[in-house]
Amino acid sequence: AQKVTQAQTEISVVEKEDVTLDCVYETRDTTYYLFWYKQPPSGELVFLIRRNSFDEQNEISGRYSWNFQKSTSSFNFTITASQVVDSAVYFCALKGSNYQLIWGAGTKLIIKP
Amino acid sequence: GAGVSQTPSNKVTEKGKYVELRCDPISGHTALYWYRQSLGQGPEFLIYFQGTGAADDSGLPNDRFFAVRPEGSVSTLKIQRTERGDSAVYLCASSSGQKNTEAFFGQGTRLTVV
Repeated sequence: AQKVTQAQTEISVVEKEDVTLDCVYETRDTTYYLFWYKQPPSGELVFLIRRNSFDEQNEISGRYSWNFQKSTSSFNFTITASQVVDSAVYFCALKGSNYQLIWGAGTKLIIKP
Repeated sequence: GAGVSQTPSNKVTEKGKYVELRCDPISGHTALYWYRQSLGQGPEFLIYFQGTGAADDSGLPNDRFFAVRPEGSVSTLKIQRTERGDSAVYLCASSSGQKNTEAFFGQGTRLTVV
């Protein structure tokens, strides 16, 4: 069975703080793909990043960075120097041997000015 | 079009009625997905098309739900005899069809069954 767990239901920080969103996954597939999506209040899911199971290199894109560790089955997402515009619900998702995306429950991130 | 387009953006219908939700994917994308999202939850897979055929419809909750993609582009999700429990946001996504590519989502159709 495949599963994605985002244990943090809601996180609230003050602007400019760093914040890490946790994602833990379960799969028996040897090849799989991990994703992060952002869902702002407008509702549209916005793709942020895709990671292949055979590539554990961490990635940085501006203020965003992702830490993929197969040993702990985690794919955590860090925002440095958070901004109010980062406020949204963030979803972690897994795609294994089929084409379905298995989603976590999401973490609601609130950035206070 | 530039992105995935879904119409209508909102639909209110009476219990027992039939509804159709439309999705226009990104041009050239062979894979199309339907998901359903209830408030406070992650999306739930409904059906996946590769071209014109439904490659995986294991997520459709029951036989009241049906989806088509007759020409391999636009897709329609059809719900018969709607129930209040069908109320949710219905999301459509498309991708290039390769398993290792990301899906791009439309803004969704908010369906309310009263």
